[in-house]
Amino acid sequence: ETTVTQSPASLSVATGEKVTIRCITSTDIDDDMNWYQQKPGEPPKLLISEGNTLRPGVPSRFSSSGYGTDFVFTIENTLSEDVADYYCLQSDNMPLTFGSGTKLEIK
Amino acid sequence: QVQLQQSGPELVKPGASVKISCKASGYSFTSYYIHWVKQRPGQGLEWIGWIFPGSGNTKYNEKFKGKATLTADTSSSTAYMQLSSLTSEDSAVYFCARTYYGSFYFDYWGQGTTLTVSS
Repeated sequence: ETTVTQSPASLSVATGEKVTIRCITSTDIDDDMNWYQQKPGEPPKLLISEGNTLRPGVPSRFSSSGYGTDFVFTIENTLSEDVADYYCLQSDNMPLTFGSGTKLEIK
Repeated sequence: QVQLQQSGPELVKPGASVKISCKASGYSFTSYYIHWVKQRPGQGLEWIGWIFPGSGNTKYNEKFKGKATLTADTSSSTAYMQLSSLTSEDSAVYFCARTYYGSFYFDYWGQGTTLTVSS
């Protein structure tokens, strides 16, 4: 089983600042990492899929990079509407495993 | 448009079983996997397993073998998850989500079903 270690657990930034979230996997997963945003009372929303592919309709301030075992998710110019929990998901092998989540707050 | 509509909240007694449904619309039900994901209050996300309605094949997270049973009815485009021998540890929101054949990232999700196990 691939363990996904996500950091930080929470962060607080001012609007306009940059957010960086990291996920490290215990096995090499190529570029099979995905990133989700979850707001309270809602299901997760897919922002970025395998190969660092921004999903249609997702603002370009969201991006990701990484390959192998080290992955980074970035929000440029954070807006108040970006307040949410963020999760990474490895889709390389079964069982599918998620990072533990990052809670983003706005100062 | 693609929709996954889940059944409503459940309140069940310990030791009982429950069956949650996920009705798909707006796409070819037999061409996509349906997965189930567990989220305990204030916790992260856990993958339970998938079913491929086109064949009926299933794959489970070892942790949920014996706990969850996945089925699908192609005539009604509905997937089901039965949870058995319920305890308080099973109290959670359960989501269904789909992935396209050959990939395993969830692009559409149901709204979630809240299960409360309590006497």
